[in-house]
Amino acid sequence: DAGVTQSPTHLIKTRGQQVTLRCSPKSGHDTVSWYQQALGQGPQFIFQYYEEEERQRGNFPDRFSGHQFPNYSSELNVNALLLGDSALYLCASSLVAKNIQYFGAGTRLSVL
Amino acid sequence: SQQGEEDPQALSIQEGENATMNCSYKTSINNLQWYRQNSGRGLVHLILIRSNEREKHSGRLRVTLDTSKKSSSLLITASRAADTASYFCATDAHQGAQKLVFGQGTRLTINP
Repeated sequence: DAGVTQSPTHLIKTRGQQVTLRCSPKSGHDTVSWYQQALGQGPQFIFQYYEEEERQRGNFPDRFSGHQFPNYSSELNVNALLLGDSALYLCASSLVAKNIQYFGAGTRLSVL
Repeated sequence: SQQGEEDPQALSIQEGENATMNCSYKTSINNLQWYRQNSGRGLVHLILIRSNEREKHSGRLRVTLDTSKKSSSLLITASRAADTASYFCATDAHQGAQKLVFGQGTRLTINP
């Protein structure tokens, strides 16, 4: 049973570019959440998707957007990249009625 | 923004000793969870304690929760080198999969 998988593992972009990160949830899970983790900090909630809709959103600008597909996989898009967007981006999946979230290994984004 | 603080920020002990980490939070919660992160990779769920529970055990882990003080502690007994990691507490204000609000973490080093 595959866990949460994220791609790519690492990514290097330049300021102003756009990036798309992908996440496949753990089998049987219907909810996907995205978190941003800056170096030395705890993860910060970006948003959560359930039934292909954004269910909750954290304090992130509109440059951050997402999508959930019918197979429950999800994408995180970031437009007009800033140096401060450099971070580890974590995807977590869960069942909507359950509290425990299962995390992928993350995508490390470097913005130069 | 982070929900609360973890204390200490870093802890270094000898193998076999016990490690205690503390977490404080600011708002009412439904549950509090502890996660482990190895070398900036994905987070692994360790234990969940609900707001109406005061103590919970799982193997070598013991978690306490004091909602009147808005604080929790994680005790790892008989530490092993493999316990070297960063430990995060995360609060969840609602029943069901909702956003997790993480602390800044405690970096634990177990010396052989």
